[in-house]
Amino acid sequence: GIQVEQSPPDLILQEGANSTLRCNFSDSVNNLQWFHQNPWGQLINLFYIPSGTKQNGRLSATTVATERYSLLYISSSQTTDSGVYFCAVESGANSKLTFGKGITLSVRP
Amino acid sequence: DTAVSQTPKYLVTQMGNDKSIKCEQNLGHDTMYWYKQDSKKFLKIMFSYNNKELIINETVPNRFSPKSPDKAHLNLHINSLELGDSAVYFCASSFRTGDGYTFGSGTRLTVV
Repeated sequence: GIQVEQSPPDLILQEGANSTLRCNFSDSVNNLQWFHQNPWGQLINLFYIPSGTKQNGRLSATTVATERYSLLYISSSQTTDSGVYFCAVESGANSKLTFGKGITLSVRP
Repeated sequence: DTAVSQTPKYLVTQMGNDKSIKCEQNLGHDTMYWYKQDSKKFLKIMFSYNNKELIINETVPNRFSPKSPDKAHLNLHINSLELGDSAVYFCASSFRTGDGYTFGSGTRLTVV
């Protein structure tokens, strides 16, 4: 099946810093999503982005499908950005999301 | 108002018991899923239903039985609970043709 690798596995930022989270995948995809799992365990959908670029406030994402990677940018980070960021992809006819192992982000005040 | 709702949010039970988790979505999606998140935060699909029909069953023990009475509901029944079943179970829904998945808030199951 498709492989999803996220990097770095852990990230510590000072409040106000910017960061880039990366997701590599091993095959063509028809769906790619970024999720934020907050400290209370909720999975929040950040972006549905199988290709192209999207922005939502301080967050933006870019997927280059031909090169099989996606990037999540966080600007002016806040402590509420802390949590685990997951990249998940859907490939081929299989109607399921395959998740990466996640990136644990800690934003310190 | 919640798009995908699961109940209960927390479930603590003894080994050997049978328990159910319920899920409902009001998004009009045609496909629903159960995912399991283990202690290392890894998320893996268990089941997928499209319009009440099972389309994915990912080598889950027979003790786990999903039931979909209609396309807005997908319940998970677990028989003879084991310690290793302790995890967070997430329900999700989507349109089969794409456009993103929406997840419920999860059910934390603890087997003692």
